This record gives sequence, structure tokens and C-alpha cells, in this order.
Amino acid sequence: AQKITQTQPGMFVQEKEAVTLDCTYDTSDQSYGLFWYKQPSSGEMIFLIYQGSYDEQNATEGRYSLNFQKARKSANLVISASQLGDSAMYFCAMRESFTNAGKSTFGDGTTLTVKP
Amino acid sequence: EAQVTQNPRYLITVTGKKLTVTCSQNMNHEYMSWYRQDPGLGLRQIYYSMNVEVTDKGDVPEGYKVSRKEKRNFPLILESPSPNQTSLYFCASSFEGLSYNEQFFGPGTRLTVL
Repeated sequence: AQKITQTQPGMFVQEKEAVTLDCTYDTSDQSYGLFWYKQPSSGEMIFLIYQGSYDEQNATEGRYSLNFQKARKSANLVISASQLGDSAMYFCAMRESFTNAGKSTFGDGTTLTVKP
Repeated sequence: EAQVTQNPRYLITVTGKKLTVTCSQNMNHEYMSWYRQDPGLGLRQIYYSMNVEVTDKGDVPEGYKVSRKEKRNFPLILESPSPNQTSLYFCASSFEGLSYNEQFFGPGTRLTVL
């Protein structure tokens, strides 16, 4: 079964500094995708970044990058130059292509607070 | 504008009174899914649909029904709601249900069952 673990319920970071949000996963599928979503206090879910299991390079999207370590089954989100607007809950999620195609698993989330 | 819409956005009801939460997407997505979000538990998948007339259970399907008669719509039905179904519900859609497609989420429906 696929499983996502986010071990940091809450994180604090100073404005303009970088922060890493941890995500480990478990899957028996060879083809899978890892996603990060942001949920601000207003409640909507916003897609941030995607990493495929066969991608050799770490994904980057603006200030977001994904530190993908396949052997360790980790997919940590790195936010550089934090801004006050980055304060939100962040979810790591996984989808598989074969074994559990259609199923999607989310972690419990990490609440990030950016301090001015 | 490409979007996923849900109605109603807020609903307070009583135990046992059947209700339907509608979900519609205008992106011609094959895949649609329902999730519930509870404090400290992330999002848990209720049901998903890979295409019209193709639905399957997620991790927490008990007490819910779905149907997919049209590509754009995926309603969530609670035949006899109970207080433990009080939650924030999200509908999502994507191109296919494969590993490389990000999901687009609706704005959420906050349901309270008294």
C-alpha cells in the first residue's frame, strides 16, 4: 500500500530564509509521482511541484524545489527566500501508475509559519 | 476559466437526512476524485473515477456513494449522514489517473452533521 509520512506538524522560518519540509513515502510500484500542494488559511488547495519516479533531476518551480532521494524514499520540499505569503499548510502526496492507479495518498501536512 | 466547482460550499444538516454535494469540472478531465479533510489527518480519498461509468473506492468509502454519468460531473451522495461525516470535502480532477498528472481541486464544501 502507498503511504506518505510528514513528520513535522509545524515549522517556523524567518522571512527571506530557506526552509525544508520533509516527506517520506512507501510504495511497491516502480512508476509513481510525488506532488506538493499548498493550503493557505483560505482553504483552497494549490499545486506547487511534481517529481516523477523516473526523473533523474530534482524538480524546480521558481522558489520551490524538490529534493528527491529515491533510495531513501524521500521527497522533501525546499522553499527558498521565504515570504510571509508562504505561511500555510503543505501536503505531500503520491500517485501510482500501475498497482494503485487512480488512488492518491496524502500526508498529514506541515503547517509553515513565516516570521517577519 | 478552467475550474472545479462544488456546491454547496457550506452545509449544516441533521443525522439521516440524505444530501448530495455536486462537483463539476470544465477541463474535460477523465479523472475525478473526492476527499475529506479532518484536522491532523490530511486528505483521505473517498472515491475516485477514472472515466464515465468507472468508479472505485478510496480509503474511506463507508457511508458515501458516487456516480459518474457524465464526464464533467461527479456528485457525492450521503444517503444517511452521521456526525462522524462532519468534515471538509474536496473534489478534484485531472487528466487521467496516472502518476504524472497533478490534480485540480475545487474550493471545498464544509459539512456539519448534527
